[in-house]
Amino acid sequence: NAGVTQTPKFQVLKTGQSMTLQCAQDMNHEYMSWYRQDPGMGLRLIHYSVGAGITDQGEVPNGYNVSRSTTEDFPLRLLSAAPSQTSVYFCASSYLAGGSTDTQYFGPGTRLTVL
Amino acid sequence: GDSVTQMEGPVTLSEEAFLTINCTYTATGYPSLFWYVQYPGEGLQLLLKATKADDKGSNKGFEATYRKETTSFHLEKGSVQVSDSAVYFCALRPNNYGQNFVFGPGTRLSVLP
Repeated sequence: NAGVTQTPKFQVLKTGQSMTLQCAQDMNHEYMSWYRQDPGMGLRLIHYSVGAGITDQGEVPNGYNVSRSTTEDFPLRLLSAAPSQTSVYFCASSYLAGGSTDTQYFGPGTRLTVL
Repeated sequence: GDSVTQMEGPVTLSEEAFLTINCTYTATGYPSLFWYVQYPGEGLQLLLKATKADDKGSNKGFEATYRKETTSFHLEKGSVQVSDSAVYFCALRPNNYGQNFVFGPGTRLSVLP
């Protein structure tokens, strides 16, 4: 199993550009999520999904869109990049048992710089 | 709302020293508690977890006990190695019907030879 994969590993954007961060998992997990990691702030939840066709907002959703057309894939779209979106982005997944998550498995991250 | 507080560090220790990283939480109900570790340039990996009061999670020489009376989940290791240098995150998943994790800010540990 590859686990959780993310592409690209690094990306530099100019202000106003758009892009999609890719995330895929091969563990048949229902739950998938996107976090951003900023110094001194830990991980903050951007969006999450509990299954194909179902998405919801986390703590910091502004400026980001997600969709979940398959169980495996959960792309994160930046609509119009801003310097405040410079961060490291992590995708994570978990199975659901009785509606609850358990251990989350993380991808290797995407380091994004917005100039 | 639910939150996790942990010592921010950085923590610098000599090899074979004793490690404690404090973690306290605020949550309604009975959360599950986790410690994750992030090595340089990598994603987070589960280190250990505990799902109910007085449970002890352990892995790779690390231990943490779920203390409901003090709302704490402190991470300990008796003898650290250089390879333990990393950032450690305490996290909770709220109650038995919860989905979204809440993470602490992380504690950077450097172990010197």
